[in-house]
Amino acid sequence: QVQLQESGPGLVKPSETLSLTCTISGGAISSNNWWSWVRQPPGKGLEWMGEIHYSGNTNYNPSLKGRVTISVEKPKNQFSLRLSSVTAADTAMYYCAVGIPGRPRNNWFDPWGQGTLVTVFS
Amino acid sequence: QSVLTQPPSVSGAPGQRVTISCTGDSSNIGAGYDVHWYQQLPGTAPKLLIYGDSDRPSGVPDRFSGSKSGTSASLAIAGLQAEDEADYYCQSYDSSLSLYVFGTGTKVTVL
Repeated sequence: QVQLQESGPGLVKPSETLSLTCTISGGAISSNNWWSWVRQPPGKGLEWMGEIHYSGNTNYNPSLKGRVTISVEKPKNQFSLRLSSVTAADTAMYYCAVGIPGRPRNNWFDPWGQGTLVTVFS
Repeated sequence: QSVLTQPPSVSGAPGQRVTISCTGDSSNIGAGYDVHWYQQLPGTAPKLLIYGDSDRPSGVPDRFSGSKSGTSASLAIAGLQAEDEADYYCQSYDSSLSLYVFGTGTKVTVL
């Protein structure tokens, strides 16, 4: 079964770019799934950030105002998240997840990685 | 940015049945988009509990059930157990915002 593991720096300075990678095991990134990023600020709820298909098609949360980029690295069976111009409001647990395609725009997320905490701190 | 509203908390004694509501509008649940539910145990990642309004993934006990009507959905937990203490989130798609949305989350406490 598919398993996901996030990796990347746990501390990022304000105004810099947050970069995380999600490594997929037990499955291929070239499957017909959508690969997503979801974040959760400490003590708060879940926010969908965006998704990518192995074909390169992406969808992003409009509220992130062009700061987010998700990309695929097929040879490494990984996908990545970049979030630019970070502020303290971007401090959160970041999860990667598999978006299972039901009917169009009816994806659900399963499974999830264990998450990685990123703190924006000067 | 939560457009799906859930009660902050629900509680029940062991063995009781509790329900969690998820209220949306005509751009999400009311538009016919599926509702999915997740369980987040303390300090862990969310886990899929219900997909497609009412389907259970393999391994999820049949004590958990989902339903949808109009602009709302519900998650029911029958025969409440101590291990069910967790946060629960609903999720759907919102066509006016063009993104996947999660509910505000509900903390379930077993008395």
